[in-house]
Amino acid sequence: DAGITQSPRHKVTETGTPVTLRCHQTENHRYMYWYRQDPGHGLRLIHYSYGVKDTDKGEVSDGYSVSRSKTEDFLLTLESATSSQTSVYFCAISEEGMSSYNSPLHFGNGTRLTVT
Amino acid sequence: AQSVTQPDIHITVSEGASLELRCNYSYGATPYLFWYVQSPGQGLQLLLKYFSGDTLVQGIKGFEAEFKRSQSSFNLRKPSVHWSDAAEYFCAVAPLTGGGNKLTFGTGTQLKVEL
Repeated sequence: DAGITQSPRHKVTETGTPVTLRCHQTENHRYMYWYRQDPGHGLRLIHYSYGVKDTDKGEVSDGYSVSRSKTEDFLLTLESATSSQTSVYFCAISEEGMSSYNSPLHFGNGTRLTVT
Repeated sequence: AQSVTQPDIHITVSEGASLELRCNYSYGATPYLFWYVQSPGQGLQLLLKYFSGDTLVQGIKGFEAEFKRSQSSFNLRKPSVHWSDAAEYFCAVAPLTGGGNKLTFGTGTQLKVEL
């Protein structure tokens, strides 16, 4: 299994509070991704990183920010959590990009976030 | 824009029965095609992938998928389902060119296996 650790695994927070989720990898892969998974929507890309301090938006980036100060860590921050951000968040990594045929995605086990 | 459709939200099969999960894609040319599986409480794991060549590809855990260009389909199959196959299955599509970050997932098919 790819060395991907997401923390925390579960979190309950209140509306309006900031939340930071952490993804840590031991594979030294260049690309890291944050997805959210919701019933009926599958997986949707929030943000991704293609190197240290290099990030870009995905399809559902509003309300989220990311940072990558080291190759191994990719942080997802909800500046002011809302109930619509209740979801399961997955981190993924890849050597060559998520649509690479030779280097598909490896996923962490997810963080279940509940915003009350 | 590329898109992926998995028309079956839930499927229930008996253990030992055969399985086929449907996936249709919309794209201007043959893309890269993937099937991922998600066991409860875990992240997604790659089952198999297709780019070109033989239209029947083999994956892990005894799964296979057949690419049919005329139907824009990439259906996943297994001859005999085991109880441990109960999971959610995602089809995904990516373009052959244009960058490495345009992967699109389907909405998933939840498989239940009856003993």
